[in-house]
Amino acid sequence: AQSVTQPDIHITVSEGASLELRCNYSYGATPYLFWYVQSPGQGLQLLLKYFSGDTLVQGIKGFEAEFKRSQSSFNLRKPSVHWSDAAEYFCAVVPSSGGSYIPTFGRGTSLIVHP
Amino acid sequence: DVKVTQSSRYLVKRTGEKVFLECVQDMDHENMFWYRQDPGLGLRLIYFSYDVKMKEKGDIPEGYSVSREKKERFSLILESASTNQTSMYLCASSDDVLQNEQFFGPGTRLTVL
Repeated sequence: AQSVTQPDIHITVSEGASLELRCNYSYGATPYLFWYVQSPGQGLQLLLKYFSGDTLVQGIKGFEAEFKRSQSSFNLRKPSVHWSDAAEYFCAVVPSSGGSYIPTFGRGTSLIVHP
Repeated sequence: DVKVTQSSRYLVKRTGEKVFLECVQDMDHENMFWYRQDPGLGLRLIYFSYDVKMKEKGDIPEGYSVSREKKERFSLILESASTNQTSMYLCASSDDVLQNEQFFGPGTRLTVL
């Protein structure tokens, strides 16, 4: 069975600083990979996804993520954080074969942005 | 603009009441899901459905049931609400055309007193 690990429960950064949120997965093959963001009291919104091709993926709101097969990682980055980026971030994987469409989510990383 | 809507943003019910949470998607997606979200536990899958009238148990189905009579609508039912079902409930839909990317509703914050 696949699993997703987000090792950081909370991350605090200053506004304008760079950001990296970590995500590691366990799966037999390369899955489809996703990052979602959840603002307080809201549902989840897709930031970006990887399913094939270029391993550096661009998303909305200035986010990007890099898929590293050798490390089974899909870390999310942003060069300069804005106060509005404060939210909960979830990494997820979906099997790319075998007919399953059920995602596995990490437990989330809460981003706190200091002015 | 594609949408998943949930019938209520906030709901307060009493222990023992039967509770219905409704979810509607307008994207003609095959798959629909119900999750509950609790602090520190992330998203936990309650039930999912891959077609009309089809349903499958997720990781925590106890105390819940679901209904999918139409493709666009997926209902979550709490047969007899209990205080430990106080939570945020999220509905989502997906389709394999988009690599099973999930589209989420805004959530229902349910409080059971």
